Amino acid sequence: QKEVEQDPGPLSVPEGAIVSLNCTYSNSAFQYFMWYRQYSRKGPELLMYTYSSGNKEDGRFTAQVDKSSKYISLFIRDSQPSDSATYLCAMSSTLTSNTGKLIFGQGTTLQVKP
Amino acid sequence: DGGITQSPKYLFRKEGQNVTLSCEQNLNHDAMYWYRQDPGQGLRLIYYSQIVNDFQKGDIAEGYSVSREKKESFPLTVTSAQKNPTAFYLCASSRGQGTQETQYFGPGTRLLVL
Repeated sequence: QKEVEQDPGPLSVPEGAIVSLNCTYSNSAFQYFMWYRQYSRKGPELLMYTYSSGNKEDGRFTAQVDKSSKYISLFIRDSQPSDSATYLCAMSSTLTSNTGKLIFGQGTTLQVKP
Repeated sequence: DGGITQSPKYLFRKEGQNVTLSCEQNLNHDAMYWYRQDPGQGLRLIYYSQIVNDFQKGDIAEGYSVSREKKESFPLTVTSAQKNPTAFYLCASSRGQGTQETQYFGPGTRLLVL
């Protein structure tokens, strides 16, 4: 079993829809959680960063962490065709944070249709 | 402009050949990383370096080698021992060790075998 599981999709939604992207993990020591967005043939760019549990909002994006369920989510409101990309979750623990090592999910491919 | 550059964008390798991928950053970051990305597998860590003249193996280091002679440079050599080198290679950097720092990614190099 992988440490981080992410449904690869693809996920196709109409423009304006609310999108929910999710990752589950098995290591209860994970405390730092990130979401990266990767456009086709480009490097990933950081979207959201959260520490421990709770919600964080940035514009149309909301990141949610539920440590009791070992589950993180990224919500995109009023989705746009420009949101079409692969979304990668990543996480680390205080043990690995000293090395900077991140554990990545497989990535979910999202397509927002006009 | 501060950032991470990778070259070349595409690289072709012949059987038995060693090839070197370039990664340069002008962000004054101490830590640098190399990842390999295959379809449906997310990012896997090859090597990382937290400081000049020091580096550690990641999860899939076999068939690869690195050097870190300068803070801004972290080249990756794909040796002939790597039997399945076709992949998208991503270089990343972060401010340093001891804290959980965000990783910033370069644009990637796509390696293909002739």
